[in-house]
Amino acid sequence: ILNVEQSPQSLHVQEGDSTNFTCSFPSSNFYALHWYRWETAKSPEALFVMTLNGDEKKKGRISATLNTKEGYSYLYIKGSQPEDSATYLCAFPDYGGSQGNLIFGKGTKLSVKP
Amino acid sequence: GAVVSQHPSRVICKSGTSVKIECRSLDFQATTMFWYRQFPKQSLMLMATSNEGSKATYEQGVEKDKFLINHASLTLSTLTVTSAHPEDSSFYICSARDMGQRTYEQYFGPGTRLTVT
Repeated sequence: ILNVEQSPQSLHVQEGDSTNFTCSFPSSNFYALHWYRWETAKSPEALFVMTLNGDEKKKGRISATLNTKEGYSYLYIKGSQPEDSATYLCAFPDYGGSQGNLIFGKGTKLSVKP
Repeated sequence: GAVVSQHPSRVICKSGTSVKIECRSLDFQATTMFWYRQFPKQSLMLMATSNEGSKATYEQGVEKDKFLINHASLTLSTLTVTSAHPEDSSFYICSARDMGQRTYEQYFGPGTRLTVT
């Protein structure tokens, strides 16, 4: 059974702080890793799909890196703002599953205080 | 683009009744949709994969007679929780896979909070 681990489970930061959190996944048979942002009462929103070892992707103040050999990805938020408060999920394709389902981590819940 | 709607967002029903949840892809065709359930402080757990025009594929431990899935068109999948019990109270969320994407990317609805009294 594939296991996707995220840490920390929750994080409280002040506005302006930079922060980062981790997603660990099986390093064998890598294909892609997904990051989603899930704000309360909204749909999870795709942030990044990462496919290459050493990849670094950026969207505004949020960036992510990928290490497929050791099986981890970091998500960084520079200068956190209250609107960044959300649960950040990472997900890994389940190759044993049918038609492309994803296995999700439990998420990191980020709270940014003004 | 890539918007998925889900209805209703919140439903309260009495034990023994059935509840239908709809999931629609609004601006793309989705031959495959997924239904997830989330327990408190847990990750999204895949319940079943819904395929247009064919039977759904259920994950181990999910009762197919309890959670009826119908994928009648390329833009609509429904999940019916039959004879609901309080233990079925949960957050249910659907997603649709854009078959044009090769990286398994999924687009999510906003979810349905089901409370069974």
